[in-house]
Amino acid sequence: QKEVEQDPGPLSVPEGAIVSLNCTYSNSAFQYFMWYRQYSRKGPELLMYTYSSGNKEDGRFTAQVDKSSKYISLFIRDSQPSDSATYLCAMISSGAGSYQLTFGKGTKLSVIP
Amino acid sequence: DVKVTQSSRYLVKRTGEKVFLECVQDMDHENMFWYRQDPGLGLRLIYFSYDVKMKEKGDIPEGYSVSREKKERFSLILESASTNQTSMYLCASSPGTGGQQYFGPGTRLTVT
Repeated sequence: QKEVEQDPGPLSVPEGAIVSLNCTYSNSAFQYFMWYRQYSRKGPELLMYTYSSGNKEDGRFTAQVDKSSKYISLFIRDSQPSDSATYLCAMISSGAGSYQLTFGKGTKLSVIP
Repeated sequence: DVKVTQSSRYLVKRTGEKVFLECVQDMDHENMFWYRQDPGLGLRLIYFSYDVKMKEKGDIPEGYSVSREKKERFSLILESASTNQTSMYLCASSPGTGGQQYFGPGTRLTVT
């Protein structure tokens, strides 16, 4: 079983739709959770960062973490064509002398005008 | 804003050449990372460094080495480039072991 699973898509939605992107994980030691957006031929850009269960909102984006189910989500409201990109989830576990960061493989999103 | 810069956006090298990829960050971050990104394989960690002159192997270190002589600069070296090292190379930095990583724009390397 892979440590982080993310549906690669592609996912196509009409402009204005609510988008839900998800990742599941198996390592209960993951403490920090991130979502990155990556446009074609560019480096990933950090969108959301959270370390606790629950919701975190930033504009049209909401990150949701459910540690009991080992499941994280990113919701995009009122999606725009400029949201078309690949979205990567990432998770960190760290402690004394150890550090592990694992990325999902990314979901490609297209928002159709 | 955090800024991570990489020395080249596009690079073409021949098999057997020694290749240097440089990364500079301007936020005094302790940690720096090198990844490669390939279709269907996602981001894979090559090496990371948590302090000057310190380095740790990632998931795929074979064929690569790194150097961190100054806190803001982390170099990736391909001692003898091979065609299977054609890829997008991404540098990142983070402010501590639990901190989020910030990425540079990437270097698309082609080895012919």
